[in-house]
Amino acid sequence: GDSVTQTEGQVTVSESKSLIINCTYSATSIGYPNLFWYVRYPGEGLQLLLKVITAGQKGSSRGFEATYNKEATSFHLQKASVQESDSAVYYCALRGPASSGSWQLIFGSGTQLTVMP
Amino acid sequence: GPKVLQIPSHQIIDMGQMVTLNCDPVSNHLYFYWYKQILGQQMEFLVNFYNGKVMEKSKLFKDQFSVERPDGSYFTLKIQPTALEDSAVYFCASSPTGSQNTLYFGAGTRLSVL
Repeated sequence: GDSVTQTEGQVTVSESKSLIINCTYSATSIGYPNLFWYVRYPGEGLQLLLKVITAGQKGSSRGFEATYNKEATSFHLQKASVQESDSAVYYCALRGPASSGSWQLIFGSGTQLTVMP
Repeated sequence: GPKVLQIPSHQIIDMGQMVTLNCDPVSNHLYFYWYKQILGQQMEFLVNFYNGKVMEKSKLFKDQFSVERPDGSYFTLKIQPTALEDSAVYFCASSPTGSQNTLYFGAGTRLSVL
């Protein structure tokens, strides 16, 4: 079945430094999956950070970017300069293409980002 | 932004009892979901629900599970009877028509089955 892999469980970065959180996926459906980054701030529910549904495109939101790389089957999350308020848990997720008829999201295991002042 | 509320945040029950987890979705959203996350594991899809019907469910959605949303009230997940392996955090989500790719999640209900 489909799967999403986030290799880092925890990442610590100093404020104003750059960030990359790795995400790779494996999808078995015919067609390209839709890819997402969700974020959970302490005490809150998951929020959609960005999504890309077309292979080769880049999504961006709140200074974060992720490029849908179908050759590498990757969707890494990057930010040029992090802030303390970015400290949260970040989840990469995929959904099969619309043609699959499935709406379920497949989540990675999450990466806890801690930004040090 | 829009909020999904889950009540209560933590529930403790004895194995074999029935439990109902409540979710107050974003108003005028029509698609509803439950996800389950066992401690230390990935969040996994249970079920989605639209127009009064289960549209899709996973193998984790056992026969003991049921969902409903009577007349615009809470969207509920009922487990009857509960088992020890049902201990997990359950997340509710909703999404609007025309933007089913954008899910809004609640903060979760931690269910502890003793």
